[in-house]
Amino acid sequence: AQSVSQHNHHVILSEAASLELGCNYSYGGTVNLFWYVQYPGQHLQLLLKYFSGDPLVKGIKGFEAEFIKSKFSFNLRKPSVQWSDTAEYFCAVTSVIKAAGNKLTFGGGTRVLVKP
Amino acid sequence: EAGVTQFPSHSVIEKGQTVTLRCDPISGHDNLYWYRRVMGKEIKFLLHFVKESKQDESGMPNNRFLAERTGGTYSTLKVQPAELEDSGVYFCASSPVTGTVETQYFGPGTRLLVL
Repeated sequence: AQSVSQHNHHVILSEAASLELGCNYSYGGTVNLFWYVQYPGQHLQLLLKYFSGDPLVKGIKGFEAEFIKSKFSFNLRKPSVQWSDTAEYFCAVTSVIKAAGNKLTFGGGTRVLVKP
Repeated sequence: EAGVTQFPSHSVIEKGQTVTLRCDPISGHDNLYWYRRVMGKEIKFLLHFVKESKQDESGMPNNRFLAERTGGTYSTLKVQPAELEDSGVYFCASSPVTGTVETQYFGPGTRLLVL
């Protein structure tokens, strides 16, 4: 069975600091990888995704993530955060096998608080 | 384009009562998913519809949960009878069917509290 682990439950940092959120997954086959974000009072929205190709993917709002297959990792980064990046961030995977039905397996989420 | 909508936004019920949650996917999206987040835990898959057919219901916790998608448009998730451990946020998501993996678009969720 798939599982996803996010290393930090809570992160507090100041504006302009760099952010890196860890994500590791466990699965024997090939996966598609996602980062979703939930801003306060809003619903989950996609930040970025990796299906194939360049392992460094860029998403919205200046976020990027790097897929390292050998480490089963898909860490999220942003060089300089803003107060508006305060949110909960979720890493998720799906199997590329069509029969698996594309259901998302989520990590536990990381709450990020950016202090102004 | 309207997003995924869910109703109600909040529901507070007593143990043993019945609650029905509704999800309206994005128009034209054949895939519809239900997920749940129990407090302090990760978001977990419940089931997946393709049009009106249940593609995968492996995440449904037990037979107190019944999901339907008659006509392949909106979906309902009924919990009967509700138990304390059913409290959490129930998310719905939809995606189009293209033969490849697609981004799932999430609704705002329904917060269910069972007292």
